[in-house]
Amino acid sequence: GQQVMQIPQYQHVQEGEDFTTYCNSSTTLSNIQWYKQRPGGHPVFLIQLVKSGEVKKQKRLTFQFGEAKKNSSLHITATQTTDVGTYFCAGLRAGGTSYGKLTFGQGTILTVHP
Amino acid sequence: KAGVTQTPRYLIKTRGQQVTLSCSPISGHRSVSWYQQTPGQGLQFLFEYFSETQRNKGNFPGRFSGRQFSNSRSEMNVSTLELGDSALYLCASSLATSKVYEQYFGPGTRLTVT
Repeated sequence: GQQVMQIPQYQHVQEGEDFTTYCNSSTTLSNIQWYKQRPGGHPVFLIQLVKSGEVKKQKRLTFQFGEAKKNSSLHITATQTTDVGTYFCAGLRAGGTSYGKLTFGQGTILTVHP
Repeated sequence: KAGVTQTPRYLIKTRGQQVTLSCSPISGHRSVSWYQQTPGQGLQFLFEYFSETQRNKGNFPGRFSGRQFSNSRSEMNVSTLELGDSALYLCASSLATSKVYEQYFGPGTRLTVT
């Protein structure tokens, strides 16, 4: 079945440093979504990427979707303590009846030291 | 607009019992997806309902079942509980006007099986 691998599993940074998490799918995706889950909370939607090579920015966050639509990345510039949490990518498989069947990566747990 | 609500928030059950969890989606959302979240396995897709029909399901045993009502509210049921079913169960709703959509998660139901 479809697998979505996400690295690294953990990332500890000093406040102000940059952070990047990477996501790789075993199959071509129709779209990829990114979510953030704060400790004790639930996943919150951040963004969705649909087009090959797409790049989207949200303030200090930059999201990229690979040309082959099988990989993606999230980059945070100058981390802040409010960025703490687990970042998940979730892919929707291209083709077939994949309604609602998001496959989540294992997530990257980000810790920011002040 | 009210968010996704889930009841109950916490449950303690013993092995062999069954449990029913409830999810009320955001008003106007017709798609409800269910996920199981554990530290070891991460977020795993259980099933997705749209207009009272199950459109997709994950790789879980038949003890896990669900349904959706005409008002889009959804329930999931787990029969013959096992210790390994202890997890956070999350539901997510979406407009799902096409295959490309974002999901809004509820706070989850924390199930503990003893």
